[in-house]
Amino acid sequence: GENVEQHPSTLSVQEGDSAVIKCTYSDSASNYFPWYKQELGKGPQLIIDIRSNVGEKKDQRIAVTLNKTAKHFSLHITETQPEDSAVYFCAWGSSNTGKLIFGQGTTLQVKP
Amino acid sequence: EAGVAQSPRYKIIEKRQSVAFWCNPISGHATLYWYQQILGQGPKLLIQFQNNGVVDDSQLPKDRFSAERLKGVDSTLKIQPAKLEDSAVYLCASSLARGLGYTFGSGTRLTVV
Repeated sequence: GENVEQHPSTLSVQEGDSAVIKCTYSDSASNYFPWYKQELGKGPQLIIDIRSNVGEKKDQRIAVTLNKTAKHFSLHITETQPEDSAVYFCAWGSSNTGKLIFGQGTTLQVKP
Repeated sequence: EAGVAQSPRYKIIEKRQSVAFWCNPISGHATLYWYQQILGQGPKLLIQFQNNGVVDDSQLPKDRFSAERLKGVDSTLKIQPAKLEDSAVYLCASSLARGLGYTFGSGTRLTVV
């Protein structure tokens, strides 16, 4: 079936700390795993993505890890800043179809 | 490059009325998507176009929702008649091709009263 479990639903951290958000998916055929950041009143913005032939990808303070055997992937944000406060969505899909299934979202609050 | 443009930004209608949303994707993007995002949830795909053809509309409530993409560029999504549960943000996204990361517009927030 098409399902993504995303945890936690809310996360509050102190500025400078790390934040980790985890997602579990159900379809073993999926091969594309993007993460989106959504600020109030705006559409989701792609911040990082990973494909199934890679286990980890890093872009400055953001990293994503993928465990295909366990069907889960995680977003790691280091040295968090107040401007990182937003709702983060994981998604999975197939590069063949382009369709994405989104998680329920994690509200991240970074306290200064 | 210019982003995905959507209008209107907000719309309030009474139940049983009709409403239409418009989307202009990034120039050259062949794939266009309409997603519905209910408050507190992740976006859910309604329909996907490849150029002007429908690729996936399995989640579109076809008794009341319709969408078209004339000439493979702009797209419109229509609801007729609207129900209270249609209150949501309607997001349009586009990508250069299927399987590539896509760009979302800011969405249209629909409130049905």
